[in-house]
Amino acid sequence: AQRVTQPEKLLSVFKGAPVELKCNYSYSGSPELFWYVQYSRQRLQLLLRHISRESIKGFTADLNKGETSFHLKKPFAQEEDSAMYYCALRPGTYKYIFGTGTRLKVLA
Amino acid sequence: DTGVSQNPRHKITKRGQNVTFRCDPISEHNRLYWYRQTLGQGPEFLTYFQNEAQLEKSRLLSDRFSAERPKGSFSTLEIQRTEQGDSAMYLCASSSRGPDEQYFGPGTRLTVT
Repeated sequence: AQRVTQPEKLLSVFKGAPVELKCNYSYSGSPELFWYVQYSRQRLQLLLRHISRESIKGFTADLNKGETSFHLKKPFAQEEDSAMYYCALRPGTYKYIFGTGTRLKVLA
Repeated sequence: DTGVSQNPRHKITKRGQNVTFRCDPISEHNRLYWYRQTLGQGPEFLTYFQNEAQLEKSRLLSDRFSAERPKGSFSTLEIQRTEQGDSAMYLCASSSRGPDEQYFGPGTRLTVT
C-alpha cells in the first residue's frame, strides 16, 4: 500500500536547536517526495522536493531509499519556522499522498 | 493574478442538501486538484484534471461526489445528499505543465449539521 507516515504530531524545540521532522513512506517504485508547509493563517505551500536537492529557508531533506525515509532537517531552528509540516508522496503521474502532518513549535 | 481562489470560504448546510464549491486556478495552470482535509489529517486526494479532462478520481470518492472543469478553466465540486461525515475542509490546487509545484487555494470549510 502507498502510504506516508509522520510519527510525530507535535515537535517542540528551542530556538537555535536542530530540527528533524520525520517522514517515512511506503511505495515499491521510484518515489517523488515533497515537503509542504502551512504557516498560521496561510495557505499550504511547497517547501522543497527531493529531486531539486535544494535548501529552502535552511531546510534540507535527503531521500533514503534503504530506510524509505525523507526526513526534513534544519541545523538551527528559528521562531518563524513554527508551522504545520506535511510530507507528500507522488507515486504516479498525478496523485499525491500526504502524511498527517507534524506541528513544529519553536520556543524562544 | 492573486493565486488560486475558492468560493465560498465557508458553507453550513443541513444533512441531505446538495452543495457546490468553485475553484478558480491560476490562469496559466492546466492541472487542477481537489483534496479533502479533516481535523488532524493531511490533505486527502479526491480528483485531478488536466485541462478539461478528469484523469484520476479517488476510489474513496463516493457517487455523491462529482467534479467538473468545463473549458479547462474553473472547476466545481458538487456533493449530493450531504452527510455529517462530509464535514471537512475542501482544498483546490493548481499547477502548470512544467514545474509540478502545486499552488493551493484557501479552502472551503463545509459543516454539515
